[in-house]
Amino acid sequence: DGGITQSPKYLFRKEGQNVTLSCEQNLNHDAMYWYRQDPGQGLRLIYYSQIVNDFQKGDIAEGYSVSREKKESFPLTVTSAQKNPTAFYLCASTRDWHSYEQYFGPGTRLTVT
Amino acid sequence: AQSVTQPDIHITVSEGASLELRCNYSYGATPYLFWYVQSPGQGLQLLLKYFSGDTLVQGIKGFEAEFKRSQSSFNLRKPSVHWSDAAEYFCAVVRTSGTYKYIFGTGTRLKVLA
Repeated sequence: DGGITQSPKYLFRKEGQNVTLSCEQNLNHDAMYWYRQDPGQGLRLIYYSQIVNDFQKGDIAEGYSVSREKKESFPLTVTSAQKNPTAFYLCASTRDWHSYEQYFGPGTRLTVT
Repeated sequence: AQSVTQPDIHITVSEGASLELRCNYSYGATPYLFWYVQSPGQGLQLLLKYFSGDTLVQGIKGFEAEFKRSQSSFNLRKPSVHWSDAAEYFCAVVRTSGTYKYIFGTGTRLKVLA
């Protein structure tokens, strides 16, 4: 079955450490997205990638970094510069940049103490 | 600025009762509108979408939504709620001019009483 895989489901880190969240899709989609979800705030866009080897900052990119070296993979690194990293992180994809139906992964809950 | 408002943070209904979740948007042109559902600790699943045409759209799991341009609304409805419908529901709009961007509402959490 095609879909998006995010791992791990739960992640715990100490403050000051960088951490990388995995996102893999086998849908052959060109575009991929990272969202952060906090209670009562909906989803906020961190980074997006229209196509492999390209990515753009979203609304809340500070303290995060991404790479898109392969079409199927779009890892997100939460750096120590991110002031409030504890959140639920969702990865999504669309067939291409002009498609509007997003497919979401199951999410990773990151807790930083 | 474009925005999406879901005025109800929590809604509780009894199993078998009807349901309406409200969504209002602020956007100058005709928007592309979506409803997603999220079970606890899971990703989002698309329920239905409106791009153009018939203003009443049918989705999965027995849900429907009606686009009302005059009211800038896209409310989600279901005639008879099942216990498995308990989840959080998000309305979203895609801006189709300028930089493509999804804007999500803050969500409505649905509780279903047995």
